[in-house]
Amino acid sequence: DAGVIQSPRHEVTEMGQEVTLRCKPISGHNSLFWYRQTMMRGLELLIYFNNNVPIDDSGMPEDRFSAKMPNASFSTLKIQPSEPRDSAVYFCASSDGHQSGYTFGSGTRLTVV
Amino acid sequence: GENVEQHPSTLSVQEGDSAVIKCTYSDSASNYFPWYKQELGKRPQLIIDIRSNVGEKKDQRIAVTLNKTAKHFSLHITETQPEDSAVYFCAANYQAGTALIFGKGTTLSVSS
Repeated sequence: DAGVIQSPRHEVTEMGQEVTLRCKPISGHNSLFWYRQTMMRGLELLIYFNNNVPIDDSGMPEDRFSAKMPNASFSTLKIQPSEPRDSAVYFCASSDGHQSGYTFGSGTRLTVV
Repeated sequence: GENVEQHPSTLSVQEGDSAVIKCTYSDSASNYFPWYKQELGKRPQLIIDIRSNVGEKKDQRIAVTLNKTAKHFSLHITETQPEDSAVYFCAANYQAGTALIFGKGTTLSVSS
C-alpha cells in the first residue's frame, strides 16, 4: 500500500485565494482525520470522518474552512478565502477504526502571503 | 472533551542516557494512548501504544507506562542515540472511531 497520499506537498498562495488540499486514505481504512500543525498550537484536530460521514468538525477554525469526503478513497479540505494566519502544515491521517494508531500522510505545507 | 498535557517541552540528554516524557489526560474514559515520533520535515509516525488494560509495554529501548488512577502515562527511552533526536507526541482517545487528541510535543535532543 502506498500509504496516505496528500497533495500538493507545498502550496504558496496569495491572501484571499481559494486553497484545496487533497487526501487519499489507505484502502480499507474507514476513519479519516485532518490536523493542522503549527509551532504555537501543535497538532490540532480540524475534522474527522467515519465511513465518509463527518463526525466532529468543532475544530474547524471558522466558516472559511470546509471539508468533504465524497467517497471512501478521497477527501478535500478547502480554505476560502485564505489568510496569512492559515499558514501551517496540514496533515491527513487514516485508521481502520479499531482503536489502532493512525497513519499520517506527508502533509501539505501551506504558505499564505 | 479530552485534553492532553505533555512535559517537558524540550529535553536534552547525552548519548547513552535515559529520557522520560510525561503526559496527563483529562477524560477518565480514555483507554488508548499512542506515542508518535516526528523527525524534522517528516510525518508523525507511531512508535508504541498502550491500552488501558495494560500497565506497561516495552519494545526494545522504548517503554510506555500507564497509571489510570492518576490519569498519566509516560514514554521511557533507554540508551539514547543521536537518531532518537526528534519531536515526540503523546495522544489519547476514548473509543474506536473517535479522534486522537495530541499533546503539544517534546523536542528531544541527544548529543554525542
